[in-house]
Order: sequence, then C-alpha cells, then structure tokens
Amino acid sequence: QSALTQPASVSGSPGQSLTISCTGTSSDVGKYDFVSWYQQHPGKAPKLIIFEGTKRPSGVSDRFSGSKSGNTASLTISGLQTDDEANYYCCSYAGGPTYVFGSGTEVTVL
Amino acid sequence: EVHLVESGGGLVQPGGSLRLSCAASGFTFSDYYMYWVRQIPGKGLLPVSRISGGGIVTTYADSVKGRFTISRDNAKKTVYLQMDSLRAEDTAVYYCAGESDYKFDYWGQGTLVTVSS
Repeated sequence: QSALTQPASVSGSPGQSLTISCTGTSSDVGKYDFVSWYQQHPGKAPKLIIFEGTKRPSGVSDRFSGSKSGNTASLTISGLQTDDEANYYCCSYAGGPTYVFGSGTEVTVL
Repeated sequence: EVHLVESGGGLVQPGGSLRLSCAASGFTFSDYYMYWVRQIPGKGLLPVSRISGGGIVTTYADSVKGRFTISRDNAKKTVYLQMDSLRAEDTAVYYCAGESDYKFDYWGQGTLVTVSS
C-alpha cells in the first residue's frame, strides 16, 4: 500500500485560507468515507483534527474543515494563525486492518 | 484527561531487542484497538502493528512480521511491542495510538528507537 500523496509544503499569511490535498486511489480515499487528518507540531504527538472526511472532534477549531472529491481529500485551514504552523498528515482506511497515511505537509505561516 | 506514555526506547545494536511499553489513562482502554505507529525523523507515519481490545487479534506490517510482537494487559492499561532482530531501518520514533471507529483518537508522545552499531 503506497502512501497517500500530499504536497511537501504550503504557506500562507495570517488570516488567509489554505488547502492541503491528499490524493489516494479507488482502493482507499475513493472507496471509503474514512479519511482523517492529524496535526503534528515538531517534537509532539499527532493530534486528530478531522475524521470521517468532514467531522471535527470536540474542541477542534471550526477553522479546520475537510472535504473529498473522488480519490482526493482536502483539508482547509481558514483564518490562518501562527499556531497552525505544523505538519499535517492525512490518513485513509483501506479495508481490513489497513490504514495508509499521507507523506505529510509542512504548513508555514508567513 | 487522556494520557498515553511510551517508554523503552533507546540505542540498540543491529540484531538486538527492545521492548516498548505504552501506559494509558483517561479512557476506556479495552474499547480501543491499540496501534504502534512509527515515524522516521522527517518522514511520514507508518502503522507497524495493532492489537484488538481483547488482545485476540493482532496484525503486523510486512516489514516487521516475524520480528515484532504486540501484546496488551488491560488490567494494567498497557500495550507492549517486543522488537527482536532489529535492523537499521527500524530506527524511528515509535508512537502508540488508540483507534476507534476508523480514526486514531489518542496518541502518545513517542519513544525514539535507534538501531546502530
């Protein structure tokens, strides 16, 4: 199972919006509505911010939103803040016991 | 508050063994599949093993099958990863994570395993 494809880095200014794409295949992202997104600050544990493609856990800012079209899922961060600087990983269920993660995207707030 | 605290990482020679532990608190441990997920510094995340809530079902990535063994003690709310025949390519930060309903709800801070002579 190959890793999901994400851009290596994206950047934006405070207050702007940015979108991170996550491209898989018809066997993972395209087949299941179980894409999740994780935020990881350097040296810290990953944190769940989106699950089932569009849902936010309790306590996660509504500035984070998720969507999916075909084999590509997306994470949008609106009203960019300095604390949003982190690495972001998508993850898709791929059937049976299998989950596949994305390669990760570094977000820089200019 | 949920806590997952890993321990047991360190420097080991190729061919050696380590046993990682992950102590959980703040959630119903036995309701969760527990995973070990590794991250090579600067790289992505790779699940290497998982164990069902009752400890009956275990799964391994092909890269560690036959060398790693996952187990859990629900009374102690702890999951373990016995790593044998370690290789340089096993060098990574190892996270334990709790999975339920197709998402990884909880993560530990990670423990670094370095395999080098």
